[in-house]
Parts: sequence; structure tokens; C-alpha cells
Amino acid sequence: QQQVKQSPQSLIVQKGGIPIINCAYENTAFDYFPWYQQFPGKGPALLIAIRPDVSEKKEGRFTISFNKSAKQFSLHIMDSQPGDSATYFCAASMNFVGRQLTFGSGTQLTVLP
Amino acid sequence: GAVVSQHPSRVICKSGTSVKIECRSLDFQATTMFWYRQFPKQSLMLMATSNEGSKATYEQGVEKDKFLINHASLTLSTLTVTSAHPEDSSFYICSAKKGGEKLFFGSGTQLSVL
Repeated sequence: QQQVKQSPQSLIVQKGGIPIINCAYENTAFDYFPWYQQFPGKGPALLIAIRPDVSEKKEGRFTISFNKSAKQFSLHIMDSQPGDSATYFCAASMNFVGRQLTFGSGTQLTVLP
Repeated sequence: GAVVSQHPSRVICKSGTSVKIECRSLDFQATTMFWYRQFPKQSLMLMATSNEGSKATYEQGVEKDKFLINHASLTLSTLTVTSAHPEDSSFYICSAKKGGEKLFFGSGTQLSVL
């Protein structure tokens, strides 16, 4: 019940494409859903996050879509660039356990020039 | 965002020695810090939760005597890998909670035990 399932494991798109990464969760106590971007040899960087009372959130080229009834959320990257090539992790947390993050398994994104 | 500094970024040590990794929140106070371990091409695995002034809470399967965590101040937590062995080689990452629900991560430490 603590798991967050992420797909796909890897994704290759052309520059300008819109990669979509999906996550699903079971525990309805989760109330905060961030996405992190990680480059090789670096720590994850917070990209964007959403709470379940909102169905969509945009920040620059990054959009989160949230479907509370389906317990699913996804990350869309508009106008993707080669510099977006990285590993993306979805995560979830709840206040009950002090906001520790439960991470998805990660998606390796490659944006071709 | 907030800045979390982790040091060193890379360390190579001999088997049997101890290694200390520091995690500092530079522009905010963090009552809670988390330590993660990450193997190549895998997700982050939570090792322990560190609260300022109290003992760390370790996840199941993590040896607390091997991975010593100290959170002596609101801006500093340390992870000491004691009597390191080659199987401890991994990427260790800390994160700090900045009020509310946001967590910010350090840049990670690549530990290689020979």
C-alpha cells in the first residue's frame, strides 16, 4: 500500500515532443505528490508538485495531471529539449509519517536532438 | 528553492575504515532530514529519518550500528558508515524538510569501498 508505481521505465522522444510519465498509488492517505529530476551523479531536484485537491498544475514546460478517483498522476514535459534528458521520479508523501517520500522506480528520459 | 549542501561528493576508502558524510541546510532550518541510498539505475531507498536532538529512526533492514546518524543542529546531519565493506559502496543522498511538505536534496556522495 506504500508503493508508487511508475511507468515507463525508459522513454525516448524527439526534441519538441511531449514525453508523458505516469504514476499510480494505492494509499489514499498520500496528500502530496512531487516530481523530481535527477542527472547522473547528482541528487534529485524538485521540479513540480501537486496536492490532490487540484487536477492540474503547470510550471513552465512541466505539467502535472492528477486523477484522484483513479489514484493516478502524470508528468508532461512540453517542447522537450535535449537538456531535459535525465531520470524522473514521481513520489508521494503524507503528514502521518513526517513527510518521508515514497518514490516511484524512475523513468530514464532521452530527448534526441 | 532551498539549498542543501552534501559533502564530500565522492569518497574512496579502504575496507574496515569509517566514512563520515555531512548534510547541511544552508538557508533554512531543517528539523527533519532523511538519508537515502541509491544503486545504479535504481530508485532511492530510505535508510533513516533524522530529527534534530533525537535518535534517528531507521528503516527495516538498515543496521543502525553500521550507519550512524547524528542530527546535532537544525542545519547539520551526519551519516557515518562504520567499518565499511565493499557492499556498502553506493550513492548516498540526504534530504532536508523545509517546513510543510517540501523536501530538498543534497547533491549526493558516491562511496567506493576498496
